[in-house]
Amino acid sequence: SAVISQKPSRDICQRGTSLTIQCQVDSQVTMMFWYRQQPGQSLTLIATANQGSEATYESGFVIDKFPISRPNLTFSTLTVSNMSPEDSSIYLCSVESQGEQSGNTIYFGEGSWLTVV
Amino acid sequence: RKEVEQDPGPFNVPEGATVAFNCTYSNSASQSFFWYRQDCRKEPKLLMSVYSSGNEDGRFTAQLNRASQYISLLIRDSKLSDSATYLCVVSLSGYALNFGKGTSLLVTP
Repeated sequence: SAVISQKPSRDICQRGTSLTIQCQVDSQVTMMFWYRQQPGQSLTLIATANQGSEATYESGFVIDKFPISRPNLTFSTLTVSNMSPEDSSIYLCSVESQGEQSGNTIYFGEGSWLTVV
Repeated sequence: RKEVEQDPGPFNVPEGATVAFNCTYSNSASQSFFWYRQDCRKEPKLLMSVYSSGNEDGRFTAQLNRASQYISLLIRDSKLSDSATYLCVVSLSGYALNFGKGTSLLVTP
């Protein structure tokens, strides 16, 4: 399994500002993802962070709002730009790694709890 | 229609009870199925994968019915520590996971 560390774990931000969330994995992984979980909602995939190339965004998410970096196989950042209260959410980094059960498994970081005021 | 639907609950059950959750999915081409557990203000953690033949892990049994496009999770002999939200997760292919909103379980003494 993979150990995933996210920073910050929580933050309260002013609207109009930007926040960068960092995700560090204890091993090299090919696939890294960023999810969002808004209050009372299911997890939604924002984008797949690709090492050495631009991230692949899901419908409804754009690079200008959520720029992503993936400089190497163990690290990625997600920036939430020009924040509004609607961006208040948990942002989760996840990776695909060899699971304890058979096959690969998706693991999640502890999440970054963002409140925009 | 949402891709993955679950009864949000909450399910309130006494310790020792057996409880079952169902989940339906809309895309018949879905390939992989999972149950994740999410504790309050924590990240989701894989509980178990769901195989076509059904699978069991201790007190937990997962079943898949492809014809009816639903997945179930059965918890026997509920413990207080089982209180959490259980997320049904379906993957069409590769790494694109679709999450249900989750079913809340509260096990009471």
